[in-house]
Amino acid sequence: ETGVTQTPRHLVMGMTNKKSLKCEQHLGHNAMYWYKQSAKKPLELMFVYSLEERVENNSVPSRFSPECPNSSHLFLHLHTLQPEDSALYLCASSHHLGGAGTGELFFGEGSRLTVL
Amino acid sequence: GNSVTQMEGPVTLSEEAFLTINCTYTATGYPSLFWYVQYPGEGLQLLLKATKADDKGSNKGFEATYRKETTSFHLEKGSVQVSDSAVYFCALSDSSGAGSYQLTFGKGTKLSVIP
Repeated sequence: ETGVTQTPRHLVMGMTNKKSLKCEQHLGHNAMYWYKQSAKKPLELMFVYSLEERVENNSVPSRFSPECPNSSHLFLHLHTLQPEDSALYLCASSHHLGGAGTGELFFGEGSRLTVL
Repeated sequence: GNSVTQMEGPVTLSEEAFLTINCTYTATGYPSLFWYVQYPGEGLQLLLKATKADDKGSNKGFEATYRKETTSFHLEKGSVQVSDSAVYFCALSDSSGAGSYQLTFGKGTKLSVIP
């Protein structure tokens, strides 16, 4: 098992669909993150969870809904998305919240989302 | 606020050429600086880091020196290989405030190394 696993790797959905992205980490970390990676833009931090509690929500539209049922799993629920939401969504984890500040972020391979 | 500016890509080099990818930053506190690398089809992984001025981070033949006077953290490698083809991201974390868990990333620079 790799450290951080994301499924599905590719997803195509219409604007009226509801889908979910899943992230699972096998590293025993306490903090998990969702990032959005768009072409020619810096990575955007979307959500941060520490010990299953949401710490940060960076003004993300409500059509993105995160869920962290335990410290090993993180979901991103998607509904009524727009074409501009098409991007690579990256999940990451760190041993603790401050771990990101030391660069000790471990990323998954990402879920490539296309919204038609 | 904090920001990171990297040189625009893509960068195409021949094998064994010298590599420099420029990175400059603005930060309100005392940032730590990082380079992450993303190989094709993979997530980002930490390549090297430096936590204070004049520190040099190094890994896999890559080096970067934290230059406070020029607010820069340029990535260098003396002889690139085809396997170095990837996207490189410069990033910073500002440890002085409550957002110390947040990394600010640059846009990334795509490097292609041809045989």
